[in-house]
Amino acid sequence: GAGVSQSPRYKVAKRGQDVALRCDPISGHVSLFWYQQALGQGPEFLTYFQNEAQLDKSGLPSDRFFAERPEGSVSTLKIQRTQQEDSAVYLCASSTGPGGIGQPQHFGDGTRLSIL
Amino acid sequence: EDKVVQSPLSLVVHEGDTVTLNCSYEVTNFRSLLWYKQEKKAPTFLFMLTSSGIEKKSGRLSSILDKKELFSILNITATQTGDSAIYLCAVGSNAGNMLTFGGGTRLMVKP
Repeated sequence: GAGVSQSPRYKVAKRGQDVALRCDPISGHVSLFWYQQALGQGPEFLTYFQNEAQLDKSGLPSDRFFAERPEGSVSTLKIQRTQQEDSAVYLCASSTGPGGIGQPQHFGDGTRLSIL
Repeated sequence: EDKVVQSPLSLVVHEGDTVTLNCSYEVTNFRSLLWYKQEKKAPTFLFMLTSSGIEKKSGRLSSILDKKELFSILNITATQTGDSAIYLCAVGSNAGNMLTFGGGTRLMVKP
């Protein structure tokens, strides 16, 4: 597709359930990023991939959060044993080259996660 | 720790007004500053600034960076209701790969 695609758009889960969020970046984009955006705040960095390699996961808030990009294209963000504080919009972004900050990042519409 | 502060937090204007949004930053080894517009969905890229004093312009929007004073402004002239959105400022550094975002400015343009 022309842009970054994320699914599902909305996800409601009960506390303690596991969830998986999908990101399909712009075709050919080397760099992929996950951000978490709480209500009324700017996005906060979670993790970064260059192709299939996860080069930075310093923003993941706990070991319940796990991300992968096994073939260097589609990425999945998994949250295990969800907690209410995980409720947020999860944004995925991609950019053309390695490193990410030399080119603009292009964002998907996000997945709005609500934990009951 | 890198830090980005945007002001004002929110702004209400009428169509035709000109607005100036502010972004100040503290970042280790600055590389770039980016502006995004966020309506109900994805943040949409507006500008990327890397050099001081060079204005970037796109239609009614323009932006400039001051690397000495560590701030940027985003100007919107002749505002329209379609400009209503949250405007996000973000900085990238050579020390990492991620963008650090400010909290955004919520702009509402009334007809």
